[in-house]
Amino acid sequence: GQNIDQPTEMTATEGAIVQINCTYQTSGFNGLFWYQQHAGEAPTFLSYNVLDGLEEKGRFSSFLSRSKGYSYLLLKELQMKDSASYLCAPMDSNYQLIWGAGTKLIIKP
Amino acid sequence: NAGVTQTPKFRVLKTGQSMTLLCAQDMNHEYMYWYRQDPGMGLRLIHYSVGEGTTAKGEFPDGYNVSRLKKQNFLLGLESAAPSQTSVYFCASSPLAGGPDTQYFGPGTRLTVL
Repeated sequence: GQNIDQPTEMTATEGAIVQINCTYQTSGFNGLFWYQQHAGEAPTFLSYNVLDGLEEKGRFSSFLSRSKGYSYLLLKELQMKDSASYLCAPMDSNYQLIWGAGTKLIIKP
Repeated sequence: NAGVTQTPKFRVLKTGQSMTLLCAQDMNHEYMYWYRQDPGMGLRLIHYSVGEGTTAKGEFPDGYNVSRLKKQNFLLGLESAAPSQTSVYFCASSPLAGGPDTQYFGPGTRLTVL
């Protein structure tokens, strides 16, 4: 079956760095997306990886290892507004996104 | 551009009532999706459409029907609502199925079935 595993909740301090891990098993693979979702709002796109390696976009970076079925999202210089849920979503062979339950990130001053 | 809009934003139904949720996008996207999101669970795909006049079942279609008569609109129907359908419903659209083209989400409809 298809499965996504990511921590339920993480806590970090403002200004620090946090890494959110995601392991996945899917039927086929067509890339992996990370989305951010603030409480009560819709998910918004953060990053996309289809090849192994690191993709950097400002304070956010995303890493992918296809052979290990593993990805992480790295957030640097944390700000209070980064408090949100982060959703890992690989795309399967039918081009459907398979969604994890998300990691709730709590930022403390 | 408004992006993806959903109507209504909130709704309370009694068990057995019916309703239709409307999703509209102004980005000329081919693909549209209906998801539900429940606490502690990932987004679950209900139905999707790969173009005007087409619909397909997602992984969790039971109790729902959809229609895509116009490219910009995707309707989700509940014929006989049940308490288990209490959820937040998100509509999304994308220009293509794969590649880096992301799905763009509407603001959600919060549905409570009593």
